[in-house]
Amino acid sequence: AQRVTQPEKLLSVFKGAPVELKCNYSYSGSPELFWYVQYSRQRLQLLLRHISRESIKGFTADLNKGETSFHLKKPFAQEEDSAMYYCALGVPGNTGKLIFGQGTTLQVKP
Amino acid sequence: KAGVTQTPRYLIKTRGQQVTLSCSPISGHRSVSWYQQTPGQGLQFLFEYFSETQRNKGNFPGRFSGRQFSNSRSEMNVSTLELGDSALYLCASSGSGSGNTIYFGEGSWLTVV
Repeated sequence: AQRVTQPEKLLSVFKGAPVELKCNYSYSGSPELFWYVQYSRQRLQLLLRHISRESIKGFTADLNKGETSFHLKKPFAQEEDSAMYYCALGVPGNTGKLIFGQGTTLQVKP
Repeated sequence: KAGVTQTPRYLIKTRGQQVTLSCSPISGHRSVSWYQQTPGQGLQFLFEYFSETQRNKGNFPGRFSGRQFSNSRSEMNVSTLELGDSALYLCASSGSGSGNTIYFGEGSWLTVV
């Protein structure tokens, strides 16, 4: 079965501290993995995708097929990073279908 | 270019009634998906339409249905509303082909009383 697990509901860090939001997935084939972010009172938006292998707003995520993980990392958290973060799995070919994790609220304290 | 637009933004319905939500995708996008977001279940995929045909379906009862028009605009309908249908309903659109970014609307907040 296809599943995404984000074990932490809330992650609270101080400004300048490193951040790691965990995501594990279950999928037998080659998945497409995404991180979406939802800032307060804003719509859900794509943060990054594993295919791009890029860094957005200082965040990076590496797909580890051996550990079936796609953790989101940032070396130095900023207060503006406070938001809800969702890890999502897309099935190749099924362009509109995403399977989301439960989400992790990141709270960056000053 | 305009983003995904959903109407209405907020609505209150009574148990047993039915509701129709509307979504206008980003211009040029032919895939429209619908998701239900609740505090308990999180974000769950309802269905996806592409070129007026349902291409994918999630695990929801038949009371949840949708359709897509020739201009790619989409509607979803929930019949015989239950209290548990209270949720934020999100519409998303993407271009054709795999690898395209999925863009979300702001959602329609449905409260069933």
